[in-house]
Amino acid sequence: FILTQPHSVSESPGKTVTISCTRSSGSIASSFVQWYQQRPDSSPIAVIFEDNRRPSGVPDRFSGAIDSSSNSASLTISGLKTEDEADYYCQSFDGSNHLFGGGTKLTVL
Amino acid sequence: QVQLQESGPGLVKPSQTLSLTCTAFGGSISRGNYYWSWIRQPAGKGLEWIGRIYASGGTNYSPSLKSRVTISVDTSKNQFSLKLNSVTAADTALYYCARANWGSGGYFDLWGRGTLVTVSS
Repeated sequence: FILTQPHSVSESPGKTVTISCTRSSGSIASSFVQWYQQRPDSSPIAVIFEDNRRPSGVPDRFSGAIDSSSNSASLTISGLKTEDEADYYCQSFDGSNHLFGGGTKLTVL
Repeated sequence: QVQLQESGPGLVKPSQTLSLTCTAFGGSISRGNYYWSWIRQPAGKGLEWIGRIYASGGTNYSPSLKSRVTISVDTSKNQFSLKLNSVTAADTALYYCARANWGSGGYFDLWGRGTLVTVSS
């Protein structure tokens, strides 16, 4: 299967944005979804794991969910800050294979 | 605090073998609920998982690269390594090593800074 993300999204500071990650086949609920943030010229960092859990140090402005009706996962960032401007990648599993979505560029303007 | 550092040649000729090593500093590669992966990212593009290894030596590879990839571990040196043979320009990328916590859904909780490998004659 593949994970499809929008190429880009944009929103204003203080607003809320949601990034989707749609699984092409099989149930989105059948394997965990993680989300990674990658700022320019930096290594990725996890912001959500196991669908909706936040690693230590990640602010609660970041939340994750899965929706079986649309077979997709989503990352929601509330109270947007300029520092949230980055590429975001979803990632899941096909057996032992780790699959990444194509990434979404978030612009905060 | 564990840190990961990739090392290896930055330039590889087409058809040759790309070899990289990841060293874990500040903690043992053998301890904890972890496995160790290689992930790459061509310039301006997305992330691609290459494969993983457990400290015990068990491996899994991406189906698209499986025929060309070998990942090995040397626990005595706190290192794991990547070999990718028969490289082409399409293998030019920033190569990351990363640690995954299999006790927490297998998410990558630690990444190296990445090392750029260019395939060119």
